[in-house]
Amino acid sequence: GENVGLHLPTLSVQEGDNSIINCAYSNSASDYFIWYKQESGKGPQFIIDIRSNMDKRQGQRVTVLLNKTVKHLSLQIAATQPGDSAVYFCAENIRENSGYALNFGKGTSLLVTP
Amino acid sequence: DGGITQSPKYLFRKEGQNVTLSCEQNLNHDAMYWYRQDPGQGLRLIYYSQIVNDFQKGDIAEGYSVSREKKESFPLTVTSAQKNPTAFYLCASSSRAPADTEAFFGQGTRLTVV
Repeated sequence: GENVGLHLPTLSVQEGDNSIINCAYSNSASDYFIWYKQESGKGPQFIIDIRSNMDKRQGQRVTVLLNKTVKHLSLQIAATQPGDSAVYFCAENIRENSGYALNFGKGTSLLVTP
Repeated sequence: DGGITQSPKYLFRKEGQNVTLSCEQNLNHDAMYWYRQDPGQGLRLIYYSQIVNDFQKGDIAEGYSVSREKKESFPLTVTSAQKNPTAFYLCASSSRAPADTEAFFGQGTRLTVV
């Protein structure tokens, strides 16, 4: 079936630099996307979401960009800090049997070095 | 505090035994979900429920069973039919389905078969 995938499994950046994490999706019917952050041994935490009627949304130090033409999603983290080190997942809503659920990609591990 | 609680945090099971993982939420959410996460992997959907007394199979439902007798609770039973049950199990809830709002996750249960 259609799925969500990530271009880079690991990303290493220096503290203070900007980070960009990419995600490709193939379900053209998806209309809602979320970025989650997962620290080791914990559940994923919501970072930011975007609906398909938007192409950009900004939060505190984070920006999500959506390009529906090429089915691409990205998460930009400004002035990356050591506390940003984690695995980042993108998720899209997909139709499952008689309902909808969130489908997750494999994740990108972000390592912030001092 | 409002939130979603999974218990226990760590669980050990002997081969051939069934085991039930607890998930409780006090967020008044209609939809609840169970995901499985293997090391270095993304989240795969096991079961989801959009409303009390209703639930649907996800991508990897074989060897698992659920119930949704109360809005607050969505327990997952890992049966002896599940061939490779050792994994990190995550429960989530969202205010409504279709899944067009963020899902809140519990802290997970790490199940090990010994």
